[in-house]
Amino acid sequence: GENVEQHPSTLSVQEGDSAVIKCTYSDSASNYFPWYKQELGKGPQLIIDIRSNVGEKKDQRIAVTLNKTAKHFSLHITETQPEDSAVYFCAYSGTYKYIFGTGTRLKVLA
Amino acid sequence: DTGVSQNPRHKITKRGQNVTFRCDPISEHNRLYWYRQTLGQGPEFLTYFQNEAQLEKSRLLSDRFSAERPKGSFSTLEIQRTEQGDSAMYLCASSFGGDVTDTQYFGPGTRLTVL
Repeated sequence: GENVEQHPSTLSVQEGDSAVIKCTYSDSASNYFPWYKQELGKGPQLIIDIRSNVGEKKDQRIAVTLNKTAKHFSLHITETQPEDSAVYFCAYSGTYKYIFGTGTRLKVLA
Repeated sequence: DTGVSQNPRHKITKRGQNVTFRCDPISEHNRLYWYRQTLGQGPEFLTYFQNEAQLEKSRLLSDRFSAERPKGSFSTLEIQRTEQGDSAMYLCASSFGGDVTDTQYFGPGTRLTVL
């Protein structure tokens, strides 16, 4: 079935620390895994994505890792800043539609 | 490239009324998607267009919902006889369909409140 579990649901970190959000998916046919950041009153904004032929991808302070065997993928944010505070959603897709996780509310404490 | 735009941003209506939302995708994006997001949840897929053809409708899209994309440009989502359970954020996304799993870019959403 189509399902993705996302943990934790809330995460508080001190400014400068790292944050890790993990997702587990069920559909083995999935081959695309985007991560979105959503601020209050706004639509989701793509921050990084990874395809199934790659195990890790990094973009400045943000990185994503994928373990297709275990059906896990994770978002890593290093040197967190107050402006990183938002809700983060993982998603996966094997076709045209995305299946989203339930979100992680990240709070970066100054 | 001005991004995906949606209008109105907010809509308050009384139960039983009809409402219509508009989405303007990123220019030259041939795929357009509608999602619904309720409080504390991730977006849920509603329907998908490739150019003007509506190719998939979720079971979430009851008979009261209809979406169109005339001429393969902007899209409208209409909800007839609104119910309180329709209260949600309605998100539109678009993509350039060069791959089955292409990147979707989201608009700011239309927040619907049904009283």
